[in-house]
Amino acid sequence: DAGVIQSPRHEVTEMGQEVTLRCKPISGHDYLFWYRQTMMRGLELLIYFNNNVPIDDSGMPEDRFSAKMPNASFSTLKIQPSEPRDSAVYFCASSNRDYGGTQYFGPGTRLLVL
Amino acid sequence: RKEVEQDPGPFNVPEGATVAFNCTYSNSASQSFFWYRQDCRKEPKLLMSVYSSGNEDGRFTAQLNRASQYISLLIRDSKLSDSATYLCVVNRGDDMRFGAGTRLTVKP
Repeated sequence: DAGVIQSPRHEVTEMGQEVTLRCKPISGHDYLFWYRQTMMRGLELLIYFNNNVPIDDSGMPEDRFSAKMPNASFSTLKIQPSEPRDSAVYFCASSNRDYGGTQYFGPGTRLLVL
Repeated sequence: RKEVEQDPGPFNVPEGATVAFNCTYSNSASQSFFWYRQDCRKEPKLLMSVYSSGNEDGRFTAQLNRASQYISLLIRDSKLSDSATYLCVVNRGDDMRFGAGTRLTVKP
């Protein structure tokens, strides 16, 4: 298996622009998680899906952030409009409850908002 | 108070040393526990699960104390390649909560 795939790996954008991050989970996994990591706040859970349905989005910082999972093999995290404080590494992870719930992370997207 | 708390370190130890990391969690309903390792500019990866009876994987030993809501990781005979950040992780059912991590540097 290719593991969790994320794109782009790096994104540099200007404040006010829309940013879309993409994730392809491991095939057969029924949970998908979006995290944000910064030096100051560590790894924060933003939202997670079970069978493509959003379960808990309480970690989404504000309305500028939105996430979708239109099918079992694809999810997006969108920031509109982006702000410099959104600069972070965004990780996507997937898991399968049948295998103990261990989460497997993608390589992350490094976002820099100027 | 954070749900999962760890000493951020850094821990700087010489090769061959034994080092221990501790972690506390606040949610008594937590169901399973893990240690993840994260190398610089990489994603977190599962190091080992933590079982109630304690478990060992080579040089690594994990312990769980449910009464005190405390998890530990012991690394024996540390290697240069053990240098990384170690994240304590608590599974609450559907989702996992990560500690901020403890940074370890093993020096020659």
